Amino acid sequence: AQSVTQPDIHITVSEGASLELRCNYSYGATPYLFWYVQSPGQGLQLLLKYFSGDTLVQGIKGFEAEFKRSQSSFNLRKPSVHWSDAAEYFCAVGARDSSYKLIFGSGTRLLVRP
Amino acid sequence: DGGITQSPKYLFRKEGQNVTLSCEQNLNHDAMYWYRQDPGQGLRLIYYSQIVNDFQKGDIAEGYSVSREKKESFPLTVTSAQKNPTAFYLCASTEGDYGYTFGSGTRLTVV
Repeated sequence: AQSVTQPDIHITVSEGASLELRCNYSYGATPYLFWYVQSPGQGLQLLLKYFSGDTLVQGIKGFEAEFKRSQSSFNLRKPSVHWSDAAEYFCAVGARDSSYKLIFGSGTRLLVRP
Repeated sequence: DGGITQSPKYLFRKEGQNVTLSCEQNLNHDAMYWYRQDPGQGLRLIYYSQIVNDFQKGDIAEGYSVSREKKESFPLTVTSAQKNPTAFYLCASTEGDYGYTFGSGTRLTVV
């Protein structure tokens, strides 16, 4: 069965520091992978997605993610974090059928120190 | 602007009561989804619908029901059979590329 693991529940970084949020997936074939961000009490916003091709994908708000098949990972990165990046981040894998269902990880809450 | 509207933002349910959460979209998307969010558990799929008058159970459908009588509307009813309904409920839609548009959610609390 497909699954997504985000091993870090919370991460704290200083403003201006670099960021990497981890995501590991379990899937038999090449997965469709996604990162979403959620501000408190709000819905989720798509940051970026990977379907195929170049394994380094660029997203909105200066985020990028790298697909590594050998490690079953799709880690999210940002070179310099801003205080407004404080939020919860969800990695997701897409069911490769006609349902377009997403299976989400448990999320990582990012705290930004001034 | 197009988007998804969920209402109400906050909802309180008494024991044994059914409540209905509204989800309306004006994006002309065919597929709509209901997710439940609990702290530390991410989002879990309750029901989804890909066309009008058709819907499928997700991973945690017990105690919930839905209808899809119109393309733009996908209401979720939390029945008295749902023993632990307190959660944040999110509705989403997509035109078929996994790029979900989410509503801003309804927080349901049992009182």
